[in-house]
Amino acid sequence: GQQVMQIPQYQHVQEGEDFTTYCNSSTTLSNIQWYKQRPGGHPVFLIQLVKSGEVKKQKRLTFQFGEAKKNSSLHITATQTTDVGTYFCVSSNTGKLIFGQGTTLQVKP
Amino acid sequence: KAGVTQTPRYLIKTRGQQVTLSCSPISGHRSVSWYQQTPGQGLQFLFEYFSETQRNKGNFPGRFSGRQFSNSRSEMNVSTLELGDSALYLCASSLVAGSGGANVLTFGAGSRLTVL
Repeated sequence: GQQVMQIPQYQHVQEGEDFTTYCNSSTTLSNIQWYKQRPGGHPVFLIQLVKSGEVKKQKRLTFQFGEAKKNSSLHITATQTTDVGTYFCVSSNTGKLIFGQGTTLQVKP
Repeated sequence: KAGVTQTPRYLIKTRGQQVTLSCSPISGHRSVSWYQQTPGQGLQFLFEYFSETQRNKGNFPGRFSGRQFSNSRSEMNVSTLELGDSALYLCASSLVAGSGGANVLTFGAGSRLTVL
């Protein structure tokens, strides 16, 4: 079945450094969503990408969908302590939502 | 408007018991999906209900079951609990079911189950 591989699993950065997490699929994705889960919290929707090569920005966050619609990335510029949490990519296959394993970001002040 | 409400928030059970968890979706949302989250396995899809019908099911044993009522509220049940069932169980609601641009999930705070 379809799998979404997300890397890295963990990332520790100094506040102010950039951060990127990647999701890769062996099959073409119809769309991809990104969620953030703060420690002790629940996942919260960030954004959805649908079009090949799509790029969307939310303040310091930049989301990209690959040209072949098989990969996606989330880039955070100049991380802040409020960015701490786990970032998940989510794709769908025949109606089933498939979550990447998540990338847990820790930011040192 | 009110968010997704899950009850109970915390519960402790012993092996062999059964548990029922409840989820009330956002008003107007007709799709409810359930997920199990553990440190080792991450977020795993359990099942999805739409208009009282199970639309999709993940790869979990038959001990895990669910249902949805006419008011879109959903319950999931786990029978014959095992230690490995200890997890955070998350419920999410959305306007529509399945894949597609409108299927943005709103999660509840979760029910944390500990099996002793």
